Amino acid sequence: SAVISQKPSRDICQRGTSLTIQCQVDSQVTMMFWYRQQPGQSLTLIATANQGSEATYESGFVIDKFPISRPNLTFSTLTVSNMSPEDSSIYLCSVGYFGTQETQYFGPGTRLLVL
Amino acid sequence: RKEVEQDPGPFNVPEGATVAFNCTYSNSASQSFFWYRQDCRKEPKLLMSVYSSGNEDGRFTAQLNRASQYISLLIRDSKLSDSATYLCAVNEDYGQNFVFGPGTRLSVLP
Repeated sequence: SAVISQKPSRDICQRGTSLTIQCQVDSQVTMMFWYRQQPGQSLTLIATANQGSEATYESGFVIDKFPISRPNLTFSTLTVSNMSPEDSSIYLCSVGYFGTQETQYFGPGTRLLVL
Repeated sequence: RKEVEQDPGPFNVPEGATVAFNCTYSNSASQSFFWYRQDCRKEPKLLMSVYSSGNEDGRFTAQLNRASQYISLLIRDSKLSDSATYLCAVNEDYGQNFVFGPGTRLSVLP
C-alpha cells in the first residue's frame, strides 16, 4: 500500500482567507483524488487531480473555489479559497490503483475549522 | 435515489455477537466492490475487497449479490476493537473513482 502524508494535519482559519493542503505519496501513482468529509457524513469527491492538466471537478465544486495542482505523480495540492464557516470539514487526499490490484488508499486528512 | 446506500445504523451489539451490514448500489454496471473501516477522527482504511465468489478474512466475510445489487459484510465474534464506521465503496463501470456509501456505525459493547 502507498504511504500518504498530508500537511497541515489541522488548521483554524479566518473567513475570507485561503488554505493550501499538500498531499505527498511515497511512490508514483496515476490517480489522485481529493475528498471532503463533513462531521458525521460520508465522503464527497471534490475532484480528480490530473498530472499535467486541469483537475476534473465533480458537480458542485469549481476550480475558482478549490484550485488543485498536480505537478508530478507523487504530489498534489488543494486550495480552499475565500473560506467561509461552511468549508469547515476534513479534507482527504487519496490515491487509486486500478486493474488487477484495484483499490484506493487515503491520506490522514486535514481537519479545517473556519471561524 | 442515492447511488450507494447502506443500513442506517447505528448497530450496538455485545462482544461476541455476529453482525451483518448490507450495502446496495444502483449502477448495474458496477465492477468492483470494497468495504472500508473508518475509526473516529481517522481516515478510511481498506478492510477487504469483495469478489464475486465471496471472500473471508478471519472473522470477516464479504459477499456480493449481483442480481440484487448488494454487498454484505458479516463480522463474527465481534470485538470491542471492531467499533467503527463501515463504508462500502463501488467502482462503477470501470470508472476510475469509487462511490462511497454513507457508512454504518458499529458499537461493540462489553
